[in-house]
Parts: sequence; structure tokens; C-alpha cells
Amino acid sequence: DIVMTQSPDSLAVSLGERATINCKSNQSVLYSSNNKNYLTWYQQKPGQPPNLLIYWASTRESGVPDRFSGSGSGTDFTLTISSLQAEDVAVYYCQQYYSPQITFGQGTRLEIK
Amino acid sequence: EVQLLESGGGLVQPGGSLRLSCAASGFTFSIYGMSWVRRAPGKGLEWVSTISGSGDTTYYAASVKGRFTISRDNSKNTLYLQMNSLRVEDTAVYYCAKSRTSSTSCHDYWGQGTLVSVSS
Repeated sequence: DIVMTQSPDSLAVSLGERATINCKSNQSVLYSSNNKNYLTWYQQKPGQPPNLLIYWASTRESGVPDRFSGSGSGTDFTLTISSLQAEDVAVYYCQQYYSPQITFGQGTRLEIK
Repeated sequence: EVQLLESGGGLVQPGGSLRLSCAASGFTFSIYGMSWVRRAPGKGLEWVSTISGSGDTTYYAASVKGRFTISRDNSKNTLYLQMNSLRVEDTAVYYCAKSRTSSTSCHDYWGQGTLVSVSS
């Protein structure tokens, strides 16, 4: 299985500041035939199901605020929130779908400082 | 509007069985792969199983293979998860999730989840 490792496990950021979450896979999730990274990011708030933020590593899902952005390729990826809002408090997960054996990162808990 | 509604969760003893259902609406169910994902108390998300739109291809996490069976009835727009030989460590909220496209397992819609508790 592809192992996904996120860092940090938890993060506290002041309102209006930038938040950065990293995700690393132990093998590339870049599919050479279409040059797409099979990497997605989800946000999960307490008591709610996960919410899709980013797919193909950098494509924002419809309706997701543009303060959320994804970057990276191959094995190293980043989710950035450019200006943290109170409603962004949540756990964030990366997930690879390169392999049909889907795997998630362990999650990063984001809080307000 | 896409809706996914899980049911069938509950309290069961170790070694017991449960069948979860996920009723789908608002999209052409038979086109899209569907998955079950769980979140145990205090833990992160864990993928459980995926089934193709036609139902002829299935995948399982190693932790459930041989004990759980995913299936679907496209005439009823319903996804299932038959869970046998349940263990304490299977305790979790189970979510059904729709694939964003017919060929990828990136999930754009999720149900609210159903709680499975395995305890004696």
C-alpha cells in the first residue's frame, strides 16, 4: 500500500495568517500517461462528513473558497490556506487515489492561535 | 441534489454481523464508483472498500478483506456493506462516498455516516 504521511499532526495559526499542511507519499502518485497527480485533500469538521477541497493535487472543487490551494507533484504535496478564517478549524486529510487501495494521511488538526 | 443516506448501524457483539445500506439519489448511480470509508473514535479516516459502477470490480482494505463484502443494486440506487466476524476495532462511523468521476476514487459527496459499535 502507498503510505501517506502528513506534517504537522496539529497546527495553531492566528486568524488572517497562512496555514500550511504537508503530505508525503512513499511512492509517486503521478501517473505519467496523463501527467496528473492522484492526490486529493479533504476537510472534516466535528460531527460532519469529509468535504472535498482539492483534487488532482491542485484543482479546487467547485464552491471551495480561493484561499485554499494545493501544490506539489510526485511524492510531496502541500495544502495552503492563505488567510485563516474561524470556519477553517477542522482536521485536514490528504488521500491518494493512484492505487485502487486508497490510503489517507493520518490527518492534521488545525486550530486558531 | 446529490444525497447519500446510510442506515443499518448499531451495537453488535464481537463475532456478529451487520449490513449497512446507502441510499443514493440525485445522480446516475450506475455510472459512478462508490466507497465505504470509516472513522474510528479518536482516529483518522480509513478507507474500507470500493466498488465500480457496474459492480463487477471490488477492492478491500487488508483489515477487512475476507470479512466484509461490498455490493450494489443499481436498480434500487443502493450501496451495501455486509460486515461479518466483527471485531472491537471495527467500531467506527461508516460513511458511504461517491466517486467524482466514473474512473477515479476521489470522493465528491459523502453521507452523514452511520455508527457501528462492536462491544460485548
